[in-house]
Amino acid sequence: KAGVTQTPRYLIKTRGQQVTLSCSPISGHRSVSWYQQTPGQGLQFLFEYFSETQRNKGNFPGRFSGRQFSNSRSEMNVSTLELGDSALYLCASSLLGQGAETQYFGPGTRLLVL
Amino acid sequence: GENVEQHPSTLSVQEGDSAVIKCTYSDSASNYFPWYKQELGKRPQLIIDIRSNVGEKKDQRIAVTLNKTAKHFSLHITETQPEDSAVYFCAASIGNTGKLIFGQGTTLQVKP
Repeated sequence: KAGVTQTPRYLIKTRGQQVTLSCSPISGHRSVSWYQQTPGQGLQFLFEYFSETQRNKGNFPGRFSGRQFSNSRSEMNVSTLELGDSALYLCASSLLGQGAETQYFGPGTRLLVL
Repeated sequence: GENVEQHPSTLSVQEGDSAVIKCTYSDSASNYFPWYKQELGKRPQLIIDIRSNVGEKKDQRIAVTLNKTAKHFSLHITETQPEDSAVYFCAASIGNTGKLIFGQGTTLQVKP
């Protein structure tokens, strides 16, 4: 099976702009989680989607949002970008998103905000 | 709140030595504890995981132990090799959800 894919891989934006990142899970996986990775804060959970519904949410401002489509592909959107949003954004997929399931990560989208 | 503490933040060992990384978690409902290895510029890759009904799990040179009472779990790598050099992350599930809380990471350097 193909692994988790993310597009684009790299992105440069300026403050105040918005950005949309895409994640395609492993075929058959219905849960997609998003994480932000920065050198200072490590890997932080953003949100999780299952069957087109947000099931869990981390402690990020409302500028961070997401959605999931009927084919399980997911997008996340960041509006009004700030310098501190520069990070590697990783998505991970699992079969049903239950606690004891393995999550498989995509290669990430590296976002630079200038 | 939900928290995972990971120590040490950096670890340097000689090739062939063992390496141990320790994590503690706060959510007593956590039931899944994966370990990921992340090489520079690459995605985190699962190397081993353990579920709360098991105390120890081993896969070749890698082993993980879990102490539910003390809420801590550890990664043990024996006979380390230069290719083991990477950042290692522990994580704990939040209840029975797909949400993982990660430790801050340990940079392991294996010197040839």
